[in-house]
Amino acid sequence: DVKVTQSSRYLVKRTGEKVFLECVQDMDHENMFWYRQDPGLGLRLIYFSYDVKMKEKGDIPEGYSVSREKKERFSLILESASTNQTSMYLCASSLSAKTFEQFFGPGTRLTVL
Amino acid sequence: DQQVKQNSPSLSVQEGRISILNCDYTNSMFDYFLWYKKYPAEGPTFLISISSIKDKNEDGRFTVFLNKSAKHLSLHIVPSQPGDSAVYFCAASEASGTYKYIFGTGTRLKVLA
Repeated sequence: DVKVTQSSRYLVKRTGEKVFLECVQDMDHENMFWYRQDPGLGLRLIYFSYDVKMKEKGDIPEGYSVSREKKERFSLILESASTNQTSMYLCASSLSAKTFEQFFGPGTRLTVL
Repeated sequence: DQQVKQNSPSLSVQEGRISILNCDYTNSMFDYFLWYKKYPAEGPTFLISISSIKDKNEDGRFTVFLNKSAKHLSLHIVPSQPGDSAVYFCAASEASGTYKYIFGTGTRLKVLA
C-alpha cells in the first residue's frame, strides 16, 4: 500500500513565524501535491511537483513556497504565517502523469494565532 | 470561478436506500473524473473514476455516471450503509498533459441507521 505521511497532525504557530510542513511518500511516486482544505471551498491546489527540484504553482500559491530536494519528500513553507493560512493542509502523491489516482496523507491542521 | 461544483453541501439518506451525489463542471476540456471519500481526521481516499469515453463505471455498490453534454456526473451508492457517511469530493482533470485535478467543494453524506 502507498503510504503518504505528514510530519504533524496538529500545529499551532504565531503570526509571522516561518512554518515547515513535511510530506513523505514511500512508493517512488513522481508527482507530489500540496492542497489546503477549507469549509465551503473544497480542496485547493497550492503547489505541485512532477520531479525532483521541479515545481509548479497551483491555484493559490501566494504566501507559500515549496521544496523538493529528494523524490520522496515534498515540503511546504509558509515564509511568514498569517491568520488566513489557518487551514487543513493535505499532501498527496501520484505515480506518474499517466496515472491519475492521487494518494493523500492524513493532513495537518494548522492554526495561526 | 468554480470549475467543478457540488451544489449540495449535505445529504441524508436512510440505510439501505440509494444515495445520489451530484457534480457539475464547466470546462469542456475535462475528460477524466474521480470521486474521493473523506472521513474526519483522515486524508481523502480514491473511490471510483470515469473517463470521458464512457458514460458509466461501476465498482460494487458504487456507480458513477457521466453526461458529457450536460457536463454533469453523479455518484450512486446502492445500498447505502452507515459506514458510507463521509464527505465526498468529485475531481476533474484534463487527461492530456497535466497532473492537476480541480476539486469540488464536497458533499457531506449522512447515512441514517
